[in-house]
Amino acid sequence: NAGVMQNPRHLVRRRGQEARLRCSPMKGHSHVYWYRQLPEEGLKFMVYLQKENIIDESGMPKERFSAEFPKEGPSILRIQQVVRGDSAAYFCASSPSIQGTDTQYFGPGTRLTVL
Amino acid sequence: DAKTTQPNSMESNEEEPVHLPCNHSTISGTDYIHWYRQLPSQGPEYVIHGLTSNVNNRMASLAIAEDRKSSTLILHRATLRDAAVYYCILLIQGAQKLVFGQGTRLTINP
Repeated sequence: NAGVMQNPRHLVRRRGQEARLRCSPMKGHSHVYWYRQLPEEGLKFMVYLQKENIIDESGMPKERFSAEFPKEGPSILRIQQVVRGDSAAYFCASSPSIQGTDTQYFGPGTRLTVL
Repeated sequence: DAKTTQPNSMESNEEEPVHLPCNHSTISGTDYIHWYRQLPSQGPEYVIHGLTSNVNNRMASLAIAEDRKSSTLILHRATLRDAAVYYCILLIQGAQKLVFGQGTRLTINP
């Protein structure tokens, strides 16, 4: 059973470009979470999605950031007009449901560098 | 979100037991205690979780105080591969997001 997959693993963008980060959850998991880890800092929750629905985006910056989890295909975290402060590791996690006992399984992350 | 307090760093020797403490004095009755760890340059990895009783799995043991205001993650025989940042997280049933603190950076000496 393949784990959570993220691609690309490394992404370099110039200021003002768009970044698209993809996450394929574990088989059978319908809940996806995105977290961001700035250099030398802890992980911060960004958004929680179920298939075709955004459930909680309380951690997502109001501008330039968006996320989707379509019926078919991976979840996408999209950052428009990137700035240097967006440079970070972005981790995706998935779980089968949302009970307190459920484990979140994390992907290897996408490391975004904005030049 | 209920808060947890962990030491910033700990150090231990290979093949010795490691006890990683976590204080959560504001825990409520429905909060589960989860532990994750993050190895260098990797995503977080689930370690163990519990509610009231002590728990064991192949990775570690979780000892929960009777009043649930603190817990201890126990690595019975540390290896170099256990060097990581360990996060203690409270999760209420039905909650969606993990709230990561600073965690404890564990160093294992050969």
